[in-house]
Amino acid sequence: EIVMTQSPPTLSVSPGGRVTLSCRASQSVSSSLAWYQQKPGQPPRLLIYGASTRTAGVPARFSGGGSGTEFTLTISGLQSEDFAVYFCQQYNSWPVFGPGTKVEIK
Amino acid sequence: QLRLQESGPGLVKPSETLSLTCTVSGYSIGSGYYWGWVRQSAGKGPEWIGSCYHAGNSYYNLALQSRAVLSIDTSKNQFSLKLSFVTAADTAVYYCARSRSSDNTLWWFDPWGQGTLVTVSS
Repeated sequence: EIVMTQSPPTLSVSPGGRVTLSCRASQSVSSSLAWYQQKPGQPPRLLIYGASTRTAGVPARFSGGGSGTEFTLTISGLQSEDFAVYFCQQYNSWPVFGPGTKVEIK
Repeated sequence: QLRLQESGPGLVKPSETLSLTCTVSGYSIGSGYYWGWVRQSAGKGPEWIGSCYHAGNSYYNLALQSRAVLSIDTSKNQFSLKLSFVTAADTAVYYCARSRSSDNTLWWFDPWGQGTLVTVSS
């Protein structure tokens, strides 16, 4: 089974700032990588699939990159609604999620 | 607009069977897509349980495949999960979600239901 890791576990950022979250797969998943945002008491919300394709309605300040085993999610100009937990998920084989990165207000 | 809603008991006794149903509105599940279940324990990342198709194909997380059964009822526009011999480790929020894919890939999940907390306790 592919293992997904995310770093760091927590990021403290000021509103308006820029943050880059990292996701690593234990073996290559090509570009079969999705990113989700989750707020307390809510289900995960899909942001990006195919490593870099934003789903409908996701603001352009969210951008995804990478392929193979190393992936990033960058949020530019952080807004109050962006403080949440972010999960990556590979789907090159049976779906596996990462443990998440919490983006909190500094 | 596609919506999914989970339903089922919030409390299950150890060694018994957890049964949940997902009701889909805004789309006929017999028209396509796989439909899946994902669970999330407190403070952890989500865990895929399995995904099913209206034609009868079902695929499961290897760690759960001996205990999980997915089924689909197109007449009710619902799909269901049964997880047998539950223990406290199965306590989690259970979500249903549409499973989406592109050429030669398996699934990402969008949208998700609101989730239902299932506690395993005597």
